[in-house]
Amino acid sequence: GQNIDQPTEMTATEGAIVQINCTYQTSGFNGLFWYQQHAGEAPTFLSYNVLDGLEEKGRFSSFLSRSKGYSYLLLKELQMKDSASYLCAASDSNYQLIWGAGTKLIIKP
Amino acid sequence: ETGVTQTPRHLVMGMTNKKSLKCEQHLGHNAMYWYKQSAKKPLELMFVYSLEERVENNSVPSRFSPECPNSSHLFLHLHTLQPEDSALYLCASSQDSAAVSYNEQFFGPGTRLTVL
Repeated sequence: GQNIDQPTEMTATEGAIVQINCTYQTSGFNGLFWYQQHAGEAPTFLSYNVLDGLEEKGRFSSFLSRSKGYSYLLLKELQMKDSASYLCAASDSNYQLIWGAGTKLIIKP
Repeated sequence: ETGVTQTPRHLVMGMTNKKSLKCEQHLGHNAMYWYKQSAKKPLELMFVYSLEERVENNSVPSRFSPECPNSSHLFLHLHTLQPEDSALYLCASSQDSAAVSYNEQFFGPGTRLTVL
């Protein structure tokens, strides 16, 4: 079956760095997405990886290893506004997104 | 402003009621989606429409009935729901629904549905 695993909840300190991991098992693979969702709001797109390696975008970076079925989202210089859920989603052979349950990130002062 | 709007934002209904959720996208996209989001569970894809034709129906109970009158509007008609249907219902749109490796989806704010 198809499956996405990511931690349920993480806690980090303002100004620090946090890495949110995601492992996936899909029938075929056409890329991996990360979305951010603040409580009561719509998920918003953060990043997309289809090739191995690190994609950097400001304070956020996303990494992919296709051979390991593994991705992570790296958040640097954490701010209180980064408190949110982070959703990992893999695109399968039919280009349908298979979603993880999300990682709730709590930032403490 | 995400370009995808949903109404109502909150809805409380009894099990015998009939109600409809509305979604509108202002992005010129060809594909629209309905998702169900329950606490601590992955997003569940319910329906996909591409160019106003349904292309995906993931074994959703018949008490949920989608309608896509044009590429900008999507409805979800609800009738005789169960308390376990209480969830956040998200609408999304993308440029295309398939055969596109980079297919970013843009989400609306959702409708928080409570079934009593």
